[in-house]
Amino acid sequence: KAGVTQTPRYLIKTRGQQVTLSCSPISGHRSVSWYQQTPGQGLQFLFEYFSETQRNKGNFPGRFSGRQFSNSRSEMNVSTLELGDSALYLCASSPGDRNTEAFFGQGTRLTVV
Amino acid sequence: GESVGLHLPTLSVQEGDNSIINCAYSNSASDYFIWYKQESGKGPQFIIDIRSNMDKRQGQRVTVLLNKTVKHLSLQIAATQPGDSAVYFCAENYGGSQGNLIFGKGTKLSVKP
Repeated sequence: KAGVTQTPRYLIKTRGQQVTLSCSPISGHRSVSWYQQTPGQGLQFLFEYFSETQRNKGNFPGRFSGRQFSNSRSEMNVSTLELGDSALYLCASSPGDRNTEAFFGQGTRLTVV
Repeated sequence: GESVGLHLPTLSVQEGDNSIINCAYSNSASDYFIWYKQESGKGPQFIIDIRSNMDKRQGQRVTVLLNKTVKHLSLQIAATQPGDSAVYFCAENYGGSQGNLIFGKGTKLSVKP
């Protein structure tokens, strides 16, 4: 059974640009959550998608958005990139029921210059 | 200004010894907890979970203890091995939907051969 796949693994972007990251969850999982990991703030929740609907949202500005497709694959988008957006972006896949395991991908390392 | 990296607590143990990693969680309404292991350059790896109706759960070489009275979790690793060296995070889930995990700051475990 394939794990959580995130693409690309590494990305370098310029301030002001926008970026789209992709996550393919474990087969059969319907929930995808996104997290930002930085040395200063640790792991912070961005949002969760379940059955193509945003089910929960963290405390990030509107420049951060996401979506989920009918096959459960998810994308997140960051517009008007800032230097502070440089981070490891992780997605977690889970079946979607309450209190079940969430499995992470390897992450996308975004560097904004 | 420049962001300051999180100062991670560090636990250094001798190979073969038992390790105990502690975590204080934030919300008394949290009903599900997960321990993750994160190695450098990788996404968090699921280790073990526990629901709030339990106070102990055992896995392979790992045991999680939950004390709801003082909002405390611990992860015990038996016969610690060099491959256990990593940063360990506890995560809690409370109310709302499944996907919003709140992560602790992490503890760096260093195993001396």
